[in-house]
Amino acid sequence: DAGITQSPRYKITETGRQVTLMCHQTWSHSYMFWYRQDLGHGLRLIYYSAAADITDKGEVPDGYVVSRSKTENFPLTLESATRSQTSVYFCASSEAGARGYTFGSGTRLTVV
Amino acid sequence: ILNVEQSPQSLHVQEGDSTNFTCSFPSSNFYALHWYRWETAKSPEALFVMTLNGDEKKKGRISATLNTKEGYSYLYIKGSQPEDSATYLCAMRVDTGRRALTFGSGTRLQVQP
Repeated sequence: DAGITQSPRYKITETGRQVTLMCHQTWSHSYMFWYRQDLGHGLRLIYYSAAADITDKGEVPDGYVVSRSKTENFPLTLESATRSQTSVYFCASSEAGARGYTFGSGTRLTVV
Repeated sequence: ILNVEQSPQSLHVQEGDSTNFTCSFPSSNFYALHWYRWETAKSPEALFVMTLNGDEKKKGRISATLNTKEGYSYLYIKGSQPEDSATYLCAMRVDTGRRALTFGSGTRLQVQP
């Protein structure tokens, strides 16, 4: 199906484990983003990517790693999960120009 | 870190009421202002993208205005309906080549039938 898909939708993991959240888009949008949603903070940018092999830190990058070997995929890895990383994670993509983002459905991650 | 502020935080109105929310942002290095509608258990959906001072956009009963010199945007909903219940987010992009948006915390609107 066309669009932007995130997987898994829900994930429970233990403190200290590595976990990867997947994001895949079918439009060949150049730009992709990872945000986390936290009460009182709204959406905060973790990392973004302007193209394959080009990534940059956002507002809250600590504890996260991203890669973008292919335009359509932008996985987010928590190297050693902590309870403070319990959140809902949204992936988004955007094409060039003054266009809005298209968001994925989100991944609800709980770190216990 | 940019400071994008939205007010009020939440709003309860009756069906048929018209309402408006405010988004305030720093006016320096302004590039674009986005509005999104975010329904519970769904993902945010783009409503408007505005770039020019004085811009006005309209989509059905929802409209938005932009003042880049003083750093604010208004979102208006005319004749609110229960299906308008959602969180409305604004987000700013700066003109530094960095495409990422900085979001406000949102205004949560509930429309009572």
